[in-house]
Amino acid sequence: DTGVSQDPRHKITKRGQNVTFRCDPISEHNRLYWYRQTLGQGPEFLTYFQNEAQLEKSRLLSDRFSAERPKGSFSTLEIQRTEQGDSAMYLCASSLDVGSNTGELFFGEGSRLTVL
Amino acid sequence: AQSVTQLDSQVPVFEEAPVELRCNYSSSVSVYLFWYVQYPNQGLQLLLKYLSGSTLVESINGFEAEFNKSQTSFHLRKPSVHISDTAEYFCAVSSPHQAGTALIFGKGTTLSVSS
Repeated sequence: DTGVSQDPRHKITKRGQNVTFRCDPISEHNRLYWYRQTLGQGPEFLTYFQNEAQLEKSRLLSDRFSAERPKGSFSTLEIQRTEQGDSAMYLCASSLDVGSNTGELFFGEGSRLTVL
Repeated sequence: AQSVTQLDSQVPVFEEAPVELRCNYSSSVSVYLFWYVQYPNQGLQLLLKYLSGSTLVESINGFEAEFNKSQTSFHLRKPSVHISDTAEYFCAVSSPHQAGTALIFGKGTTLSVSS
């Protein structure tokens, strides 16, 4: 397995357009996380899935954002009606729940969004 | 709620000098603590972690961090840095009592090592 992969790596869009990012986690990992990282900031938690269930959402995840993990494998993050403030690096991470929360996450390289 | 404060946004050092990157956390429950590193144009990678037991933890590339509960700190140190250590370093916290809770990250410290 080559790790967590994200697609596309870069996306430039115009304000008001919709964008979708895809994340393929490490195959045996049942937890999947989305984070957002802006310049000069650390990663900020957006949401996470345990298998196909979305268990937690940050208040940062406005109504324009939606995430899915339909079969408990890959996940998509869609942003509708993009705004310039959505410009950021969107990070996906996965982990294996072994009954205790050790919190070790494996990150992809991110999808960079630029909204013009 | 948990939070992490990284006290230095940038740390410039010369090669072979020692370095300390400071991290303080706030939590009302017990914590797990992590340092992640992000090399230029790469994803975040786990550097080391404290879960329980010995308060001093080490990485394979010479970094170490010490969990200090009384000072709520988890500072990262290396006695002699290399050019290749130039990267962004993030301290992060989670809780063993909150299953599935995501990591909370600090804002990061940019370590710049020059010759």
